[in-house]
Amino acid sequence: KNEVEQSPQNLTAQEGEFITINCSYSVGISALHWLQQHPGGGIVSLFMLSSGKKKHGRLIATINIQEKHSSLHITASHPRDSAVYICAVIKTRGGSEKLVFGKGTKLTVNP
Amino acid sequence: NAGVTQTPKFRVLKTGQSMTLLCAQDMNHEYMYWYRQDPGMGLRLIHYSVGEGTTAKGEVPDGYNVSRLKKQNFLLGLESAAPSQTSVYFCASSFEIGGSSYEQYFGPGTRLTVT
Repeated sequence: KNEVEQSPQNLTAQEGEFITINCSYSVGISALHWLQQHPGGGIVSLFMLSSGKKKHGRLIATINIQEKHSSLHITASHPRDSAVYICAVIKTRGGSEKLVFGKGTKLTVNP
Repeated sequence: NAGVTQTPKFRVLKTGQSMTLLCAQDMNHEYMYWYRQDPGMGLRLIHYSVGEGTTAKGEVPDGYNVSRLKKQNFLLGLESAAPSQTSVYFCASSFEIGGSSYEQYFGPGTRLTVT
């Protein structure tokens, strides 16, 4: 079983819809990242969070440490949001921190 | 400010050949990482470095070596390439505060094919 599970694997939405992508993890973590991978392959970090909620524009990320779960929400989705969204957790081992990645959620937003 | 750059962007190797991938960052980051990305699998950590002159193994280190002789550069070497090393390779870097790493900045990736 993967240490980081994302759902759904694929998501298709109409422009304007509210979107939620979920991430569950099975290990202790110090923080969690949400990343966006564009169709061209580039990867951009969206959020890093260890508790509560963060907001940037139309994107909102929440984390519940007790339930080992995080969600990424996109409000008023737009075709330019089409990308693969990746959840990754930081496992702390011996003072050096490493990221463990989920397999990603492919989002397609149709006009 | 170029961020994280990778050289080359594409490469085709024959089985048994060797090559070095170069990652450079101009943000004065302490931590640097090499990942591979394969279809149906998440990004996997190959090797990483927490500072100049240091390297450590990640999740899938076999068949690769790394060096961090200068803080801004992190090199990934394949001594004898195998078809299983066909992948897209990403380099990333992050700054650290009190031993904890923060937001990772990714390079554009190198697409490697081993025939």
